[in-house]
Amino acid sequence: DQQVKQNSPSLSVQEGRISILNCDYTNSMFDYFLWYKKYPAEGPTFLISISSIKDKNEDGRFTVFLNKSAKHLSLHIVPSQPGDSAVYFCAASAGIGGGADGLTFGKGTHLIIQP
Amino acid sequence: NAGVTQTPKFQVLKTGQSMTLQCAQDMNHEYMSWYRQDPGMGLRLIHYSVGAGITDQGEVPNGYNVSRSTTEDFPLRLLSAAPSQTSVYFCASSSGGLANTGELFFGEGSRLTVL
Repeated sequence: DQQVKQNSPSLSVQEGRISILNCDYTNSMFDYFLWYKKYPAEGPTFLISISSIKDKNEDGRFTVFLNKSAKHLSLHIVPSQPGDSAVYFCAASAGIGGGADGLTFGKGTHLIIQP
Repeated sequence: NAGVTQTPKFQVLKTGQSMTLQCAQDMNHEYMSWYRQDPGMGLRLIHYSVGAGITDQGEVPNGYNVSRSTTEDFPLRLLSAAPSQTSVYFCASSSGGLANTGELFFGEGSRLTVL
């Protein structure tokens, strides 16, 4: 029973265009959501997060949107760059302040930026 | 700035052998955890620790043992390796507490093959 779902295993986007990565969750107790980026042979690195009290958080080219009623979040990357090619994991936490009981991860989406 | 250091990076074991994956962090983080990543499965939490002397089970703890005698170290022991434990293992740490945003800092991973 997957609590965090990333239904697109891969996504191909042209350089300069917008990349939209989607994530759905089922656990209503999740109150903090994060996106991680992973290159081959490296550990995941934190990208951006959002608390359930917000519906949008922006950091440079990266924006995360949260729709609590739909239990859906999305990561927008504008404009997409070749260095953005990586696997992106959506993660969620139900702990106070997040993290104490671990994060629940989705299966990941492999983003490929084409020149 | 070492961050989270995992050793070894690669290991091949025979079924039934035991071994320990080492993890050390130099950020004085209270919270440490171990995840495994399998193809098409995302990252799954094995064990975690919220401080020295305190450990707890995650989603997939069977076949693994942990201890936390110091803040810096969180080794993961495989008691009797099985082919199902072939995976990439990631150690992660965070500052924990109410201020924690759930942001985990990951090591580079340890690739384990059990024959």
